[in-house]
Amino acid sequence: DAGITQSPRHKVTETGTPVTLRCHQTENHRYMYWYRQDPGHGLRLIHYSYGVKDTDKGEVSDGYSVSRSKTEDFLLTLESATSSQTSVYFCAISDPANGGYEQYFGPGTRLTVT
Amino acid sequence: GQNIDQPTEMTATEGAIVQINCTYQTSGFNGLFWYQQHAGEAPTFLSYNVLDGLEEKGRFSSFLSRSKGYSYLLLKELQMKDSASYLCAVEGGATNKLIFGTGTLLAVQP
Repeated sequence: DAGITQSPRHKVTETGTPVTLRCHQTENHRYMYWYRQDPGHGLRLIHYSYGVKDTDKGEVSDGYSVSRSKTEDFLLTLESATSSQTSVYFCAISDPANGGYEQYFGPGTRLTVT
Repeated sequence: GQNIDQPTEMTATEGAIVQINCTYQTSGFNGLFWYQQHAGEAPTFLSYNVLDGLEEKGRFSSFLSRSKGYSYLLLKELQMKDSASYLCAVEGGATNKLIFGTGTLLAVQP
């Protein structure tokens, strides 16, 4: 299995508070992604990174920001959490430059916004 | 627009063969992926098709027809542990950005 960890694994927070989720990889893969998974919607891309300090938006980026200051860490921040952001968040990595087109997923973070 | 369709649920019997279909309409196509996801766990990679035809990997095979916008995942000799959701995803054009279907929940019965 690819070395990907996410923290925290579970979090309950209140509406309006900031929240930061961390994804850490030990595979030295260039690409990193944040997805959310909700019933009836499948996995949807929030933001992704194609290198240190290089990030771009996915299909559901409103209300989220990301940062990648080093290869191994990709942070997802909810500036002011809302109940609609209650979801399971998955981080993923890939290495297409070396033929690794498949994405490997971290264990997920279950976030509840009350 | 981008659209990926899969059946919501399927049921099959232990030891049998099941085929899970996926149709897609995307603005571009670089490849199609299948993932398996057990309840409460992360998706795990099963297969990747770029060219038309069948890719076989043990009990699992995946087929692609780019002209028809169609793929299927074939699971043989079903086992109880194959009960899971199966996700179809298309790399639609932008580098390594995947568009996922909503998944097919497969229940394997004794």
